[in-house]
Amino acid sequence: EAQVTQNPRYLITVTGKKLTVTCSQNMNHEYMSWYRQDPGLGLRQIYYSMNVEVTDKGDVPEGYKVSRKEKRNFPLILESPSPNQTSLYFCASSLANRVTSPLHFGNGTRLTVT
Amino acid sequence: GESVGLHLPTLSVQEGDNSIINCAYSNSASDYFIWYKQESGKGPQFIIDIRSNMDKRQGQRVTVLLNKTVKHLSLQIAATQPGDSAVYFCAERARNNTGKLIFGQGTTLQVKP
Repeated sequence: EAQVTQNPRYLITVTGKKLTVTCSQNMNHEYMSWYRQDPGLGLRQIYYSMNVEVTDKGDVPEGYKVSRKEKRNFPLILESPSPNQTSLYFCASSLANRVTSPLHFGNGTRLTVT
Repeated sequence: GESVGLHLPTLSVQEGDNSIINCAYSNSASDYFIWYKQESGKGPQFIIDIRSNMDKRQGQRVTVLLNKTVKHLSLQIAATQPGDSAVYFCAERARNNTGKLIFGQGTTLQVKP
């Protein structure tokens, strides 16, 4: 089944403790992206990657890092999480260089930072 | 600036009726639009898309209408079912594509039995 898989689904952590949210897609998509979803603010892009070893900042990149060493994986790293990073996170992927390629989303990771 | 908005945060319809969910966008450079459905506990799910060179596209029980003159997008759901209850988002992508989609705030569709 074609899908984007995120892990974990739920994560509770404390301020300053480094964490990684994994994302993997099996559709051979070049483009991958991370969004966060917050009440009243909607979905906002954190980082994106057009292909392996190519990453760029989205609208809200502060406090996050990403890497794209392999085509299928795009982990989101929080080096020193803070409470304002409590949110629902989505990874997504699509074919690159095609305007008409919709994003396919994972089922989300709900992160709570205390 | 770029913004995508939906006219109503909540829409309540009777089962079997048709639903119309609206969206306004402001970026005239956008040439691709998508409707997503998000159920509780899940990620946004692709429903239907449309390019700016079209004004209407139909899927199974869904129709998307695009009015570029007034920068308006709508999603019509025929014979609405309880399983259609969800939050619906419109999204746009600009012609100078970095792959980024800009999302509206979402409309919650409630289907009454």
